[in-house]
Amino acid sequence: NAGVMQNPRHLVRRRGQEARLRCSPMKGHSHVYWYRQLPEEGLKFMVYLQKENIIDESGMPKERFSAEFPKEGPSILRIQQVVRGDSAAYFCASSPLQGAPTGELFFGEGSRLTVL
Amino acid sequence: KQEVTQIPAALSVPEGENLVLNCSFTDSAIYNLQWFRQDPGKGLTSLLLIQSSQREQTSGRLNASLDKSSGRSTLYIAASQPGDSATYLCAVTRGNTGKLIFGQGTTLQVKP
Repeated sequence: NAGVMQNPRHLVRRRGQEARLRCSPMKGHSHVYWYRQLPEEGLKFMVYLQKENIIDESGMPKERFSAEFPKEGPSILRIQQVVRGDSAAYFCASSPLQGAPTGELFFGEGSRLTVL
Repeated sequence: KQEVTQIPAALSVPEGENLVLNCSFTDSAIYNLQWFRQDPGKGLTSLLLIQSSQREQTSGRLNASLDKSSGRSTLYIAASQPGDSATYLCAVTRGNTGKLIFGQGTTLQVKP
């Protein structure tokens, strides 16, 4: 059973470009969460999605950031017009139910975005 | 607003020592608490999860305790090994939502 798969693992963008990060949850998991880890900072919740629905986006920056989890295919975190401050590691996590009975999440290896 | 604090920020010990990592949280109304391990440039590996109704969990050389009323958890590592060197993260959830609030982590170095 493959774990949470994220790609690309590393992404370099110039200021003003778009970044798209993809996450395939574990098999049988229908809940996806995105977290961001800024340099020298802790992990911060961004958004929680189920298939075709955004459940909680309270941690998403108001502008330039969007997320989706379509009926088919991976979840995508999209950052438009990237700035240097967007440079960070973006982690995806999944769970089989709403946090599963124990609330346990399974994390991917992360996508590391560098904005030049 | 829930805040999670981990002390110390960094720790260096010789191989074989038993050690304790501390985690505190400001709001005792948690659903569960998880300890993770993160290796440099890697993702998070779940080590132990303690439900709010539980007092402790054990896995191999690891033991995590939870005192909800005082807002504290400890991760005990017995007979530390160089392979235990990593950053250890503590995280709590308020409800069964998967919305974790993380501490800043404790970076552990175990010297051979």
